[in-house]
Amino acid sequence: NAGVTQTPKFQVLKTGQSMTLQCAQDMNHNSMYWYRQDPGMGLRLIYYSASEGTTDKGEVPNGYNVSRLNKREFSLRLESAAPSQTSVYFCASSPNPSANTDTQYFGPGTRLTVL
Amino acid sequence: AQKITQTQPGMFVQEKEAVTLDCTYDTSDPSYGLFWYKQPSSGEMIFLIYQGSYDQQNATEGRYSLNFQKARKSANLVISASQLGDSAMYFCAMREGGNAGNMLTFGGGTRLMVKP
Repeated sequence: NAGVTQTPKFQVLKTGQSMTLQCAQDMNHNSMYWYRQDPGMGLRLIYYSASEGTTDKGEVPNGYNVSRLNKREFSLRLESAAPSQTSVYFCASSPNPSANTDTQYFGPGTRLTVL
Repeated sequence: AQKITQTQPGMFVQEKEAVTLDCTYDTSDPSYGLFWYKQPSSGEMIFLIYQGSYDQQNATEGRYSLNFQKARKSANLVISASQLGDSAMYFCAMREGGNAGNMLTFGGGTRLMVKP
């Protein structure tokens, strides 16, 4: 079982460029999430998808868009990258978003640098 | 106010000794869950242990246990018999309520270094 996979692992962009981060999970989970982790800090939620066909904003959604392509895949798009978006991006998934026991499982992360 | 506070930016522990990583939280929701994750230098986030607000007993998972003191709003992680591989960042996180999409709120983390 691969769990949660993310591509690419590393990316360098110039200010104003766009890109899409890909995430897929093979655990048949209902919910998927995108977080960012800035140096020396915990993770902050950008967007989430509680179930296939739905997406909602998290704590820091500005400058990002998401697409829940199907139950397995959840992509994050930066339309016009800014240096403030330099961060490590984590995708996560969880099986049962209506329960407090719902544990999120994380992908390996994408390290993004915007010059 | 911070929802999750980890007051120890860094800690050292001798190999084979036990160590406690502190976590306090702030919520007015009676239903919540508390999680601990480990982040080694390779960067991935590894789920360690979960404690529910209504759980009567402290959670345990192998060498990990959670010292849950509800009245004090603390959920400290105890690692017994530390190993060199335990050197990593540790994050405490909370999920409030039972609604879909209620986010995990993370603390700032504690860096644990295990000395041989």
